[in-house]
Amino acid sequence: DVKVTQSSRYLVKRTGEKVFLECVQDMDHENMFWYRQDPGLGLRLIYFSYDVKMKEKGDIPEGYSVSREKKERFSLILESASTNQTSMYLCASSTLGGKGNTIYFGEGSWLTVV
Amino acid sequence: GENVEQHPSTLSVQEGDSAVIKCTYSDSASNYFPWYKQELGKRPQLIIDIRSNVGEKKDQRIAVTLNKTAKHFSLHITETQPEDSAVYFCAASKGDSGYSTLTFGKGTMLLVSP
Repeated sequence: DVKVTQSSRYLVKRTGEKVFLECVQDMDHENMFWYRQDPGLGLRLIYFSYDVKMKEKGDIPEGYSVSREKKERFSLILESASTNQTSMYLCASSTLGGKGNTIYFGEGSWLTVV
Repeated sequence: GENVEQHPSTLSVQEGDSAVIKCTYSDSASNYFPWYKQELGKRPQLIIDIRSNVGEKKDQRIAVTLNKTAKHFSLHITETQPEDSAVYFCAASKGDSGYSTLTFGKGTMLLVSP
């Protein structure tokens, strides 16, 4: 059973703070993703990584960065949090090829920036 | 890039009725179309997917149809039950590429009333 774990489920941060969201997967998946979910806007891709130390911008990368130092771990970084980054953040992973691109999501991290 | 439109945004049905959610996509090269279900407070989970070499796929009360010419695909749920209440997301990607990404629709909130 695929497990994608997001260490922080609920966070409250102040404007201007640096925020780290951590994600770990236990299925040796090559691909990892960070999505942002907002009501009425669906799931929007922030960044993804298809290998250690590799990263690619998604549709809304502005204000975010990522780090992938180990295959199982993918971190999302908000360098200076702003109120418009209040949202639910979903980490996901998938294998390379194989079953198309079925991705498996974590439980999500609810971030409130005040 | 790919653009996925999903309709309706909300759908209310009586228990036992059928529900249909429709999506259109813009990139004719897309060939993998999954559907995810997200229950309140939980992670999105894959419920069914279809590839472009197949026109229809069924799994118990759930079916998905694909019209490549028109570039649209639909989710059909028969004999709806209250536990079907959730947000449903469609998505599209070019599944042959190892690290191609999924583009999601904005979601449909399905409410099944007893």
